[in-house]
Amino acid sequence: GQQLNQSPQSMFIQEGEDVSMNCTSSSIFNTWLWYKQEPGEGPVLLIALYKAGELTSNGRLTAQFGITRKDSFLNISASITSDVGIYFCAGQGLQGAQKLVFGQGTRLTINP
Amino acid sequence: DAGVIQSPRHEVTEMGQEVTLRCKPISGHDYLFWYRQTMMRGLELLIYFNNNVPIDDSGMPEDRFSAKMPNASFSTLKIQPSEPRDSAVYFCASSLLLGQVETQYFGPGTRLLVL
Repeated sequence: GQQLNQSPQSMFIQEGEDVSMNCTSSSIFNTWLWYKQEPGEGPVLLIALYKAGELTSNGRLTAQFGITRKDSFLNISASITSDVGIYFCAGQGLQGAQKLVFGQGTRLTINP
Repeated sequence: DAGVIQSPRHEVTEMGQEVTLRCKPISGHDYLFWYRQTMMRGLELLIYFNNNVPIDDSGMPEDRFSAKMPNASFSTLKIQPSEPRDSAVYFCASSLLLGQVETQYFGPGTRLLVL
């Protein structure tokens, strides 16, 4: 079945640093989504990407849909303590199929 | 706007008991999804519905799990009988397909502990 490889699994950074994480797949996806999950809560959608090559920003967050449609990255600039959480990538495959495949998550820890 | 609503938020039960998890999707959304999250397996899709009809239940672990969606505003996930290995966080999500674009919005989850 389809699988996503998300890296890194965890990051420990200082406040103010930039963050970069990515997801790769052996399969093509039509949509890439990035979610953030905080303790005790459900994943919250951060950015959605619908076209290969698309680069989308949401405040300090920037995500790109890879040209090959098999990868995506998420960057966070000038991190702050409230960015702490687990970030998940998710891919949606075949047209008309609504199933999402999730990466394993990147746990972000920030030292103030 | 109200998001996806799940109840209960926490459930502790004993092995062998029946467990029912509830979900109210976002009004107007035509897709509903049930996920399970564990440390070992991450987020797994169990089943999803479109317009109240189950479309894909290939992720349902076994016959002890069943899901229903009697109307557009309510769904249940039932485990009978429950086992300790069912302990996990269960999420409900909903989405609306607009053309080829749809994104899923998650509820806060139900944390289930089976003793």
